[in-house]
Amino acid sequence: AQKITQTQPGMFVQEKEAVTLDCTYDTSDPSYGLFWYKQPSSGEMIFLIYQGSYDQQNATEGRYSLNFQKARKSANLVISASQLGDSAMYFCAMREDNYGQNFVFGPGTRLSVLP
Amino acid sequence: EAQVTQNPRYLITVTGKKLTVTCSQNMNHEYMSWYRQDPGLGLRQIYYSMNVEVTDKGDVPEGYKVSRKEKRNFPLILESPSPNQTSLYFCASSRGREQAKNIQYFGAGTRLSVL
Repeated sequence: AQKITQTQPGMFVQEKEAVTLDCTYDTSDPSYGLFWYKQPSSGEMIFLIYQGSYDQQNATEGRYSLNFQKARKSANLVISASQLGDSAMYFCAMREDNYGQNFVFGPGTRLSVLP
Repeated sequence: EAQVTQNPRYLITVTGKKLTVTCSQNMNHEYMSWYRQDPGLGLRQIYYSMNVEVTDKGDVPEGYKVSRKEKRNFPLILESPSPNQTSLYFCASSRGREQAKNIQYFGAGTRLSVL
């Protein structure tokens, strides 16, 4: 069963607007971490933001915020004030504390920022 | 500078010719991992290592071997490569304690083509 689902293969957003990239996950481990990574066309994987399952508040890092809805098992990435340099693939990932040590990625969403 | 170094960055080989992709990290991380990235599938974990001499299979281990003789190094070995192992490979590392909270740092990637 797929543990991470990203239902948007591709997204477009106008420069300076906000965009939400969806991520839902599946786990029965009460302790887990959720991560978002950015992969620009150059290929490297860049860490963006982290949310722990016990964190009470949604994570924020600059223009990135994570809309964490634990009961719905969703961890959507919100990018505010999009920039042309935000055009990239975005991956949602999860690591479970207790049920194995696998780090599981979703299939990714390709974001294109339009001028 | 803290980093994960993979070599080579690009490799073209032929079916059946053994090859090794090296990975080294200078952050004293306990956890290291190998992934392959294929279009539409995101990153899939091949093998991971919790510490020296401790390795375990990820989701797609067939056709690969790893070893962890030193904390900093985690080579990926393809003993008899086949064309279906043509892919983009990433090595990553993170601290081992409180794993779910620890960010994985990625190498720049190795693009492998098996003819």
